[in-house]
Amino acid sequence: NAGVTQTPKFRVLKTGQSMTLLCAQDMNHEYMYWYRQDPGMGLRLIHYSVGEGTTAKGEVPDGYNVSRLKKQNFLLGLESAAPSQTSVYFCASMPRGGLETQYFGPGTRLLVL
Amino acid sequence: RKEVEQDPGPFNVPEGATVAFNCTYSNSASQSFFWYRQDCRKEPKLLMSVYSSGNEDGRFTAQLNRASQYISLLIRDSKLSDSATYLCVEYNQGGKLIFGQGTELSVKP
Repeated sequence: NAGVTQTPKFRVLKTGQSMTLLCAQDMNHEYMYWYRQDPGMGLRLIHYSVGEGTTAKGEVPDGYNVSRLKKQNFLLGLESAAPSQTSVYFCASMPRGGLETQYFGPGTRLLVL
Repeated sequence: RKEVEQDPGPFNVPEGATVAFNCTYSNSASQSFFWYRQDCRKEPKLLMSVYSSGNEDGRFTAQLNRASQYISLLIRDSKLSDSATYLCVEYNQGGKLIFGQGTELSVKP
C-alpha cells in the first residue's frame, strides 16, 4: 500500500494562476481532509469529506474548492492563486470518524509569487 | 476564539525532565482527541489517542478532563529525540478534525 500520496510535492505559481492538488489514498478510507500549515499557525482545516460525493467547509475554505468524485481521491483547487496561499498543504485520510488513526500525506509546498 | 488552543512554547527542558502540555477545547460535544507529533514541517504522526479519561503508553500519558474541557500530555524522562512540535487534535461528530497550533518542545543534553 502506498498510503496517502500527494501530487505535486512542490509548485511555484504566479498570482492569478490556477492549479489542482491531488490527494490519493489506497486504504479505502471514508474520510479525507485538506489542511494548510503556516509558521506558528498549526494545521488549519480547509475542506473535508466524509464520503464519496460529499464535501464540507473547514476553518479556512475561502479561495479553495474541492471535489471527491472518487472515494480514493480528494482534489483541492485554487482558482486564482494569491500570495497569501503560500503554504504547506497536507492531506489526510481516516477509515471513519471517532476513534480511528488518521494517515497523512507528505505535504505539498506551494509558493505563490 | 480558536476551537483548540495550545501554549505554543517553546518548552526548553533538560534530558530526563518531566514536561506537561495542556490543550483546551471549546466544543463540549467533541467526542475524542488525539496528540500528534510533528518533526521539522514533515507530516504529523499520531502519538496517542485520548477518548476516555486518558491513557498511558510508556513514558507518555494523556488525560482528558471533560468538565474543564482540556486534555494534557505528560512526557516523563525526556529524551533528545522527543524534541518536536506536539499537536492537539479534536474530533467532533460532524467529521471535523481540528488541530491546535502546536507546542514546541526542545530537549537539551
